[in-house]
Amino acid sequence: SYELTQPPSVSVSPGQTATITCSGDKLGDKYACWYQQKPGQSPVLVIYQDTKRPSGISERFSGSNSENTATLTISGTQAMDEADYHCQAWDSSTAEVVFGGGTKLTVL
Amino acid sequence: QLQLQESGPGLVKPSETLSLTCSVSGGSISSSTYYWDWIRQPPGKGLEWIGSIYYTGSTYYNPSLKSRVTISVDTSKNQFSLKLSSVTAADTAVYYCARQHFAPFDPWGQGLLVAVSS
Repeated sequence: SYELTQPPSVSVSPGQTATITCSGDKLGDKYACWYQQKPGQSPVLVIYQDTKRPSGISERFSGSNSENTATLTISGTQAMDEADYHCQAWDSSTAEVVFGGGTKLTVL
Repeated sequence: QLQLQESGPGLVKPSETLSLTCSVSGGSISSSTYYWDWIRQPPGKGLEWIGSIYYTGSTYYNPSLKSRVTISVDTSKNQFSLKLSSVTAADTAVYYCARQHFAPFDPWGQGLLVAVSS
């Protein structure tokens, strides 16, 4: 079965750029999405179709996806960005969905 | 604004069947644009996709759960449902329903914690 791998944790200083990766075999051939989840809350979509931001999501959030790695970048990281981030891929041929294990972002 | 709300028992006994319903408001479940999905998250762990349903009743399931899962839709009530049979403690999780449009899930319901315990 298809698997996505994320680092369990990432730390960043306020105002700096946070980078969270998501790795999977030929992930660049699929669409990647990213979700932000704060404690006790439902996930919120922050990036879809590799690079697109839903309405209402800060421009500080950006995404990319190439070869085997999708990347979520948060520029000018703020304390409010501290959360778990989950990547997700979708196989268009089987309509199956896979999530990564999630990354806890800590803003120190 | 579209909203989804999960409902069902918060406690299920081992070997029994977990049954949940997702009520959709602010939009029609019969839209040709979207699928409707169930996702779960065990305490302290990551997200796991359970399956999808189209308003016509067409379904897709996670292969690891397929033998135990049934997702159905009731367009007259604007609801879709999840049944997970032969549950064990490993099925204890927060269960979310969500709308899907060719991969991204948006929005999500608030989630419902279901514990499997005798």
